[in-house]
Amino acid sequence: KAGVTQTPRYLIKTRGQQVTLSCSPISGHRSVSWYQQTPGQGLQFLFEYFSETQRNKGNFPGRFSGRQFSNSRSEMNVSTLELGDSALYLCASSLVPASYEQYFGPGTRLTVT
Amino acid sequence: GEDVEQSLFLSVREGDSSVINCTYTDSSSTYLYWYKQEPGAGLQLLTYIFSNMDMKQDQRLTVLLNKKDKHLSLRIADTQTGDSAIYFCAESTTGNQFYFGTGTSLTVIP
Repeated sequence: KAGVTQTPRYLIKTRGQQVTLSCSPISGHRSVSWYQQTPGQGLQFLFEYFSETQRNKGNFPGRFSGRQFSNSRSEMNVSTLELGDSALYLCASSLVPASYEQYFGPGTRLTVT
Repeated sequence: GEDVEQSLFLSVREGDSSVINCTYTDSSSTYLYWYKQEPGAGLQLLTYIFSNMDMKQDQRLTVLLNKKDKHLSLRIADTQTGDSAIYFCAESTTGNQFYFGTGTSLTVIP
């Protein structure tokens, strides 16, 4: 069974631009969560989607948004990029929301210059 | 959010046991987890324990949970160089999001 895939793996953007990251969950998994990982803040929860609906949202500004499609694939979008948005963005999938078995993808490394 | 704390670094010799510690604040935590992250990779779920358990063993891994002190530990027996990585503990409550610790960087010295 294929794992969680994230595209692209690496991305370089400039301040003020916007970016869209994609996550394909494990086949059969319907819940997708997004996390931001930085050296200073560690892993911080962004949001969770299940059946195309956002279930939970972390404490991030409105520039961070996401969506989930009917095939459970998810995208997250960051508008008006800031230098501080440079991070590893991780996506995790599970069968159901907030499941104790959550599997992570390899992440997308975003660098904002 | 909930606080989950870990020491930042641990160094052990190959063949010794490693013990990584974690404290958390949410007494209603339902599950507690250990994840491993190797350089350039995502997080790999190593093991988890339900909050009504005291101990769980899985091959070289032993998880101990002290609910009274809100303390979780991961013991790796016979530590190998391939165990060098960052280890995260995390906790969640039913239906709610995960909270991760800051991660402990384990270095195994050959």
